[in-house]
Amino acid sequence: AQKITQTQPGMFVQEKEAVTLDCTYDTSDQSYGLFWYKQPSSGEMIFLIYQGSYDEQNATEGRYSLNFQKARKSANLVISASQLGDSAMYFCAMREGPSGGSNYKLTFGKGTLLTVNP
Amino acid sequence: DSGVTQTPKHLITATGQRVTLRCSPRSGDLSVYWYQQSLDQGLQFLIQYYNGEERAKGNILERFSAQQFPDLHSELNLSSLELGDSALYFCASSDTSVSYNEQFFGPGTRLTVL
Repeated sequence: AQKITQTQPGMFVQEKEAVTLDCTYDTSDQSYGLFWYKQPSSGEMIFLIYQGSYDEQNATEGRYSLNFQKARKSANLVISASQLGDSAMYFCAMREGPSGGSNYKLTFGKGTLLTVNP
Repeated sequence: DSGVTQTPKHLITATGQRVTLRCSPRSGDLSVYWYQQSLDQGLQFLIQYYNGEERAKGNILERFSAQQFPDLHSELNLSSLELGDSALYFCASSDTSVSYNEQFFGPGTRLTVL
C-alpha cells in the first residue's frame, strides 16, 4: 500500500484565489512528521511547511497552511492568495518515527502539478 | 539557496559506464540523504549517512554505492549504468538537533544515460 497518496495529478487555480492540495498518509507509527515541498520547473526542492503528529494546532507559514486531520490521516496543503510563481509541482512527504533521530527517510507522494492562471 | 551543493549539475554518459555524484551538506549537518527522482518511480529514498556511517537504506541498487567522508561530504557512485538510471539525483542534509529534522535539498544532478 502506498504510504503517501496525492490523488490530484494536476490542479488549476486563478491568481489570488486559494487552493487546497490533498494528501493522505498511511502509517502505524504514533510519532511521525508530514512535510510539503515545492518543486518549480527549475528542479530544486523547496521546503514549505511541517506538521508533527503530536502538534495540536495546524501549521502555518505565510500563505501556506496545513489542514491536519489526524483521524482521517490527511494533511492537505492550503495556499492562500495564489500567485503566478506558485505554479510548480507540490510533494507531500512523511517521516516515520520521532523527530530528533539520526536515521530516517522521507517517503514522498507522486506530487500534484499546480498551475496558477492569470 | 539551501546551502547544500551538488556537482555536477548535469551528467551525460553511456550505458555500462560509472559515474560519481558529489554532495556537500549544509555547514554543521551530519546527516546526508540521497534520493532518486524519475518519471516512472517518482522520488525515492536511496540511502542515508550520519557522521560517516550508513544509517538507512532504501531502494538502492547493488550497482550503486555511497559513502560519507570525514569532512561530511558524500559521494554516490553509480556503475554499470543502464538507460533506466537516467534520473534527477538529489542530496539532502539535515540537522538532527532541531525539532523536526527538516531536510534541505541540493539542486540535484541530472543524469542522462545514452
